[in-house]
Amino acid sequence: SQTIHQWPATLVQPVGSPLSLECTVEGTSNPNLYWYRQAAGRGLQLLFYSVGIGQISSEVPQNLSASRPQDRQFILSSKKLLLSDSGFYLCAWSSRGRLAGGTDTQYFGPGTRLTVL
Amino acid sequence: DQQVKQNSPSLSVQEGRISILNCDYTNSMFDYFLWYKKYPAEGPTFLISISSIKDKNEDGRFTVFLNKSAKHLSLHIVPSQPGDSAVYFCAATDNDYKLSFGAGTTVTVRA
Repeated sequence: SQTIHQWPATLVQPVGSPLSLECTVEGTSNPNLYWYRQAAGRGLQLLFYSVGIGQISSEVPQNLSASRPQDRQFILSSKKLLLSDSGFYLCAWSSRGRLAGGTDTQYFGPGTRLTVL
Repeated sequence: DQQVKQNSPSLSVQEGRISILNCDYTNSMFDYFLWYKKYPAEGPTFLISISSIKDKNEDGRFTVFLNKSAKHLSLHIVPSQPGDSAVYFCAATDNDYKLSFGAGTTVTVRA
């Protein structure tokens, strides 16, 4: 079965410091990968998605970036964190979608709680 | 512009009764709809989905109804159990890899 891991689970960082959050998926190959953020009391906002190694699409312009160095690894980064970057970050995966015989269902990891002080 | 809306931020229901969660969407291109359940400090868990070619899908205690003409879907949980207390998100997609999420409804099941 497929599993998705995220680390760290919680992180407290000062303003202006760098960020690196990692996500890995097991039990599947060629997944689509996604980064979401949930701000306090809000819904889920899609930040980035990737359909393959090195292929990143950004949904919201900001000081965050994403990379996919390996098929099942997705990394969220920032060079300098802002207070507004605080939130709950979620990684998700899906199959290749309906056109490839899969589905659009996305499966989420456990999340990382980021607090920027 | 939020394309998926959950207008009820919270719902309180007695254990054993039915919970009905509602969701409205504005994008007529959406053709696949999902419900997720989320506990605090955890990632959302997929519950149930429905394609636009259907108007009902059932999985155990969970049933999703889709009314395409009204651009409305609902999730019924019968019977409600204490473990169902969580935030429920409605989501929709038109096959472009992106899910549009509602803001969520917090369900509290009372003993």
